[in-house]
Amino acid sequence: DQQVKQNSPSLSVQEGRISILNCDYTNSMFDYFLWYKKYPAEGPTFLISISSIKDKNEDGRFTVFLNKSAKHLSLHIVPSQPGDSAVYFCAAYIDQGAQKLVFGQGTRLTINP
Amino acid sequence: DTGVSQNPRHKITKRGQNVTFRCDPISEHNRLYWYRQTLGQGPEFLTYFQNEAQLEKSRLLSDRFSAERPKGSFSTLEIQRTEQGDSAMYLCASSLSGARVGEKLFFGSGTQLSVL
Repeated sequence: DQQVKQNSPSLSVQEGRISILNCDYTNSMFDYFLWYKKYPAEGPTFLISISSIKDKNEDGRFTVFLNKSAKHLSLHIVPSQPGDSAVYFCAAYIDQGAQKLVFGQGTRLTINP
Repeated sequence: DTGVSQNPRHKITKRGQNVTFRCDPISEHNRLYWYRQTLGQGPEFLTYFQNEAQLEKSRLLSDRFSAERPKGSFSTLEIQRTEQGDSAMYLCASSLSGARVGEKLFFGSGTQLSVL
């Protein structure tokens, strides 16, 4: 069962505009959510996170929104830059025990000049 | 470079052969995780260690898979009698234990396994 889903395999955005990546989850036990960014031939790197007790977290150009009732989160990148072109993974976990991440399938973001 | 190091980067093997991968975590990190990523999917949890103890294994980890972390430093992941379905990217990650591990998790570049 896919507990974390990213339904858009790819997204193309013009440089300078807003990129919005979406993620849905099914397990209400998750209490932390993260976005990871992955370039080709590299491992994923942590980008931004949000606790289940918050509905928004901002870090520079990146903002993550959490809607617990809808079990939905989104990542907003404003303004989008060419260096943002990468695969973005949404992940969730329970912040105790193994703290193992459950990842979505990823969304490939391409920023066009 | 003090990041997570994985070797080899690529491994091509024939079905039925055994393979072993190595992961060297960030030196002070006591937690080490193995994940597997197949094409078009996100990484999936396989197992994790706290120091030298293997504390949890996924159901994805069949009896043909074994992982070790002797002395709580580097880790090895061995696959015996490889099958074509084992073809994937095997990712290692390390962190310190404590709250919000996900934010402090550092991944290696992975070992890409191809089973012919």
